[in-house]
Amino acid sequence: DTAVSQTPKYLVTQMGNDKSIKCEQNLGHDTMYWYKQDSKKFLKIMFSYNNKELIINETVPNRFSPKSPDKAHLNLHINSLELGDSAVYFCASSHPRTYTDTQYFGPGTRLTVL
Amino acid sequence: LAKTTQPISMDSYEGQEVNITCSHNNIATNDYITWYQQFPSQGPRFIIQGYKTKVTNEVASLFIPADRKSSTLSLPRVSLSDTAVYYCLVGDKQLFSGSARQLTFGSGTQLTVLP
Repeated sequence: DTAVSQTPKYLVTQMGNDKSIKCEQNLGHDTMYWYKQDSKKFLKIMFSYNNKELIINETVPNRFSPKSPDKAHLNLHINSLELGDSAVYFCASSHPRTYTDTQYFGPGTRLTVL
Repeated sequence: LAKTTQPISMDSYEGQEVNITCSHNNIATNDYITWYQQFPSQGPRFIIQGYKTKVTNEVASLFIPADRKSSTLSLPRVSLSDTAVYYCLVGDKQLFSGSARQLTFGSGTQLTVLP
């Protein structure tokens, strides 16, 4: 009965590779997010989709491309991986799309780029 | 947009009350204050939200003074399992528009509860 799930949980890859992280939520929420958390626990928004429409796109390299096939899924594809991409990536969802509404987070995907 | 400042870390002992303060000097009239908790290897989890005065739920209390330039998360009688990172967010109820800096959690406060 997992609310927000992500796959894979761990991802180890070489520089230059392309990889994807998948996220699914079964809460019936309209809005989904991707966050990046660095080694110092700094957690920052990257993207947000509402009903498959991109509504937040922070300053993120073009190598990162989110895709939302339906409102229950938000995937993150990363091209040409770099060492600095190593981090934990969290997917989240919320019902409305305001700054105050409770977000439900997935367990995270730890990406290590060698 | 309100910027928040929290202590980087705090230590406490089991059974004590812990108070974590967040400064948000530029808070706007329509902004709410929300706290999240993050355990190791997990995503953040909502704890509590408030606008002014005091809010209490089964997990914590949130104290907000009249000027709303700061807020204090209070955890009663902490246990080892309360060891986590605590994040303070400030934002209003408007729909997303422009920058989403209000959704930047920052680095939070690492609370370590000792036996």
